[in-house]
Amino acid sequence: ETGVTQTPRHLVMGMTNKKSLKCEQHLGHNAMYWYKQSAKKPLELMFVYSLEERVENNSVPSRFSPECPNSSHLFLHLHTLQPEDSALYLCASSQAHARTSGSLTDTQYFGPGTRLTVL
Amino acid sequence: KQEVTQIPAALSVPEGENLVLNCSFTDSAIYNLQWFRQDPGKGLTSLLLIQSSQREQTSGRLNASLDKSSGRSTLYIAASQPGDSATYLCAVRDRGSTLGRLYFGRGTQLTVWP
Repeated sequence: ETGVTQTPRHLVMGMTNKKSLKCEQHLGHNAMYWYKQSAKKPLELMFVYSLEERVENNSVPSRFSPECPNSSHLFLHLHTLQPEDSALYLCASSQAHARTSGSLTDTQYFGPGTRLTVL
Repeated sequence: KQEVTQIPAALSVPEGENLVLNCSFTDSAIYNLQWFRQDPGKGLTSLLLIQSSQREQTSGRLNASLDKSSGRSTLYIAASQPGDSATYLCAVRDRGSTLGRLYFGRGTQLTVWP
C-alpha cells in the first residue's frame, strides 16, 4: 500500500456527463500531482499543487478542472470529455520544501490510478 | 523539451537471468533520475532514485547507474524472478522544467518465466 488512494478505480462516462476523480494521501505530504497515462504516449504531467497552490498547469484542456481543498485531498473534475481522454489517471504526492523552483525534487508516491473510459 | 527513451520496449527471459534495462535522456541538466515499477492495474512504485551528483544506487537485487554527461542510465536486475515481471519506467526531473515535473519514458515491459 503506497499511502495514496484513488477513487473510483474504474469509471465509464458519456461525453455529456460530469464526474470527479478523488485522490487522498496519508503520507503527510504537501504537494500533489495529476498525471495521465494513455496507451500511445508516455506518462504526462497534468497539474501540480504545492502547499495547496496550483503551480503547474501543463496546457491541459479546460474540460479538466483540478481542485485541492487541503494538502491531503486532490480532485479532478471532468465535464464534456472526448473519447481520446480515455486513459489511466494517476495521482501522486511528495514533500515540497518551498514554492520555488527545484523545491519538488523528493520522491513522488503514486496511487493505483483511475481507469477512465469515455464513450 | 526533455525526451526520455527506454530500450528495449519489451523483454522476455527465463528465471535466473541477469538483466539490463536502458534509459536515455536528451538534456543532461537534471536534478535526479528515478526508476519505477508498474504492475498491471496498479500505480507506480519507486525503486531507486539517483541524484545528479551520484553515479549509482543499489537496493537488493537492483542496481541503477547514472551517466549524466552522456544522458544515460541503466537498471541492472540480478537473478531475475517471475515476481519481477512488470513494466519498468525511467523518469528524469530536469532543471529546465517547472516545479517537480518528471519526464517519463514509455517503459520496458519485462516478463520473467519460470
